[in-house]
Amino acid sequence: AQKVTQAQTEISVVEKEDVTLDCVYETRDTTYYLFWYKQPPSGELVFLIRRNSFDEQNEISGRYSWNFQKSTSSFNFTITASQVVDSAVYFCALSQPKSLADQGAQKLVFGQGTRLTINP
Amino acid sequence: DAGVIQSPRHEVTEMGQEVTLRCKPISGHDYLFWYRQTMMRGLELLIYFNNNVPIDDSGMPEDRFSAKMPNASFSTLKIQPSEPRDSAVYFCASSFGTVNQPQHFGDGTRLSIL
Repeated sequence: AQKVTQAQTEISVVEKEDVTLDCVYETRDTTYYLFWYKQPPSGELVFLIRRNSFDEQNEISGRYSWNFQKSTSSFNFTITASQVVDSAVYFCALSQPKSLADQGAQKLVFGQGTRLTINP
Repeated sequence: DAGVIQSPRHEVTEMGQEVTLRCKPISGHDYLFWYRQTMMRGLELLIYFNNNVPIDDSGMPEDRFSAKMPNASFSTLKIQPSEPRDSAVYFCASSFGTVNQPQHFGDGTRLSIL
């Protein structure tokens, strides 16, 4: 079965610190996709990044970076020089196998989320 | 570009009443998903549609829940009769169906059943 574990329920750091959010996944698929979403206090879910299982290159986008390691089934997210606006709940998600009836959709399994608080 | 639009943003109603949640997906997206978010269970997929056709409703909790998509730009999730345990945030998401496209979420409907 597909499973995503975000072991850190809550993290609190002081502004400008670097912080890493962990994500460990389980799947028997050889082809899959991993995602990170951000849910700020206003409640919406914002897509951050998608990574496919064949691309293990790390990705950097401004202060955000992602480290994908298939050997450890992890897809960790690091925020460098954190800011108060980064405070949110962050979700890691894994695509489920597509059914025989529908090869297009990505059914997502979400982790429980990590609540990140950046204190001024 | 307009994102996924959900209405209402908040709904408070009494147990036993019918509740209808609405969603307008992003234009051109051919997949539409309904999720429910609770503290206990996190984010759960309820049902999804492809080209207006329900593909997988295995996440719908029980017969009190139903979803329709009469056209490419509109979907509803209905609960009848509602119960207090249905209180949650309900999200609609849409995507373009090629395998590597992300789902884009609406702002959600916060539902409270008294």
